[in-house]
Amino acid sequence: ETGVTQTPRHLVMGMTNKKSLKCEQHLGHNAMYWYKQSAKKPLELMFVYNFKEQTENNSVPSRFSPECPNSSHLFLHLHTLQPEDSALYLCASSQEVGDSYEQYFGPGTRLTVT
Amino acid sequence: GQNIDQPTEMTATEGAIVQINCTYQTSGFNGLFWYQQHAGEAPTFLSYNVLDGLEEKGRFSSFLSRSKGYSYLLLKELQMKDSASYLCAVRDSNYQLIWGAGTKLIIKP
Repeated sequence: ETGVTQTPRHLVMGMTNKKSLKCEQHLGHNAMYWYKQSAKKPLELMFVYNFKEQTENNSVPSRFSPECPNSSHLFLHLHTLQPEDSALYLCASSQEVGDSYEQYFGPGTRLTVT
Repeated sequence: GQNIDQPTEMTATEGAIVQINCTYQTSGFNGLFWYQQHAGEAPTFLSYNVLDGLEEKGRFSSFLSRSKGYSYLLLKELQMKDSASYLCAVRDSNYQLIWGAGTKLIIKP
């Protein structure tokens, strides 16, 4: 039990669909992250929120839109995705951004774009 | 550019010792992390090094040499459950984590 939950665990969507991924952390952390994990590639940091403020957007296409309504919840809204967006999307949280704070990961959402 | 290198795959025998290396070239350094990720599961934190030297935690140890841009994860008394991917990540000067692609460790009986 990592304290970070993600729903759904699996998602298949067409290129014209709109869907949202949800992440919730029960650890009292103040920082939350979205990562993309593709096979045999390094984890790609997409977005970072620290105390509900977005602090990083690593040149992510606008078809991915994050939302952080409070420190415990993080969403990733998806629309008009491409097949190359198929990947495992991981949410993580940490006490804050910086220092030695380790990140706690959720189990991920396996996304397939058809 | 920033780069983390680690072997793609390693094989070891149950009960043996294995060392997984990680070399890095990043803009600044604010610590190095090792994570374990079993297939289909979330990465879980193993160790953190910010100063040179060896950090030991039970069967797992992690070593850092900042001057060489080098770290290794040492796993002793290997068990079948240690079969997993091991991810090396470096925190750069902007406190962003730069990740390696991971080393898939296969343990054979």
